[in-house]
Amino acid sequence: EAQVTQNPRYLITVTGKKLTVTCSQNMNHEYMSWYRQDPGLGLRQIYYSMNVEVTDKGDVPEGYKVSRKEKRNFPLILESPSPNQTSLYFCASSLGGDGYTFGSGTRLTVV
Amino acid sequence: AQSVTQPDIHITVSEGASLELRCNYSYGATPYLFWYVQSPGQGLQLLLKYFSGDTLVQGIKGFEAEFKRSQSSFNLRKPSVHWSDAAEYFCAVGPSYGGSQGNLIFGKGTKLSVKP
Repeated sequence: EAQVTQNPRYLITVTGKKLTVTCSQNMNHEYMSWYRQDPGLGLRQIYYSMNVEVTDKGDVPEGYKVSRKEKRNFPLILESPSPNQTSLYFCASSLGGDGYTFGSGTRLTVV
Repeated sequence: AQSVTQPDIHITVSEGASLELRCNYSYGATPYLFWYVQSPGQGLQLLLKYFSGDTLVQGIKGFEAEFKRSQSSFNLRKPSVHWSDAAEYFCAVGPSYGGSQGNLIFGKGTKLSVKP
């Protein structure tokens, strides 16, 4: 089944403790992206990647890192999480211009 | 600056009534346009997309949208709403070419409630 898989689905962590949210797609898509969703703010793009080793900032990149070492994987790294990064995170992939296919989301709580 | 505006935060319609959700965009070049739906606790599902050609596009679940360049709008419509259509709807815009095709910008969403 064609899908975007992100893990974990739920995560509670403490301020400052580094964490990684994994994302993997099995559709051989060139583009991958991370969004965060907050009430009243819709989806805001954090980072996106056009292909292996090619990434670019979205609208809200501060406090996040990404890497694209393989085409199928696009992990999101929070080096020192803070409470304002509590949010619902979505990974997505696309062929480019075709619209994103989204994962099921990761609900992150930073206390 | 590129942006997407969904003027209605929350809309309530009766089951069986028609629906129109508004979307206006600001974009420098010819955009790709999308509508997504998010059911409670779920991820986002693509309803339809517009690239070029016929300005009226058909999507899944009986939805359609019309692209109006002169009004910078891409409104979503459905002739008869079902209770299962209750969800949040997002309009999105992205570039039609180039490496930044991954830079898809979303509106803040419109929550649809359906009255029995």
